[in-house]
Amino acid sequence: QVQLQESGPGLVKPSETLSLTCDVFGYSISSGYYWAWIRQPPGKGLEWIGSMYHSGNTYNNPSLKSRVTISIDTSKNQFSLKLTSVTAADTALYYCASLYCDGRRCYYFDYWGLGTLVTVSS
Amino acid sequence: EIVMTQSPATLSVSPGERATLSCRASQSVSSYLAWYQQTPGQAPRLLIYGASTRATGIPARFSGSGSGTEFTLSISSLQSEDFAVYYCQQYDSWPLTFGGGTKVEIK
Repeated sequence: QVQLQESGPGLVKPSETLSLTCDVFGYSISSGYYWAWIRQPPGKGLEWIGSMYHSGNTYNNPSLKSRVTISIDTSKNQFSLKLTSVTAADTALYYCASLYCDGRRCYYFDYWGLGTLVTVSS
Repeated sequence: EIVMTQSPATLSVSPGERATLSCRASQSVSSYLAWYQQTPGQAPRLLIYGASTRATGIPARFSGSGSGTEFTLSISSLQSEDFAVYYCQQYDSWPLTFGGGTKVEIK
């Protein structure tokens, strides 16, 4: 059973960088999944942020332009999110998840962490 | 970007009744559609993928249908644990996008 757990600061100042980590348990991060970040502003819907494979192949949401960096640390079986130049609009519950993909395409998110709330405020 | 639109925003249903939720895509996504359930304070849970295939452990009262741009999630007889928010998600093309959600509440 794959389990994911997010961690990181709950408060970030405007214009600074949001940094989160997701620890993966019960599955090797170097195996078949892409690893994803998704966020949910308070009271709103879900927004996919980006996904990465252990090989380095990455897909990011163009809406976040070049502010997003996802990285994987196979030695720690974890992956990370960095979001630069944050504003209040980046306040959200941030989830990490596994994205099932095969050789043709990526599909759905089948395992999720519980989420971590990040508030952007001075 | 493919825009996913869910309706209604809120659906009031009595326990034991049937609920029907809709999801529309701004362009065809074939059958590359998933449904998720989110209960308060919990992460979303995968219910349906491929528009109609139930994920592991999902009860048979949940069913999905549709293809192209029109999709439906049906819950045949609502149980107390089914009152939640439901999201659709397309995976036909990048970026992966979700609908705005339908809240199923107790009538």
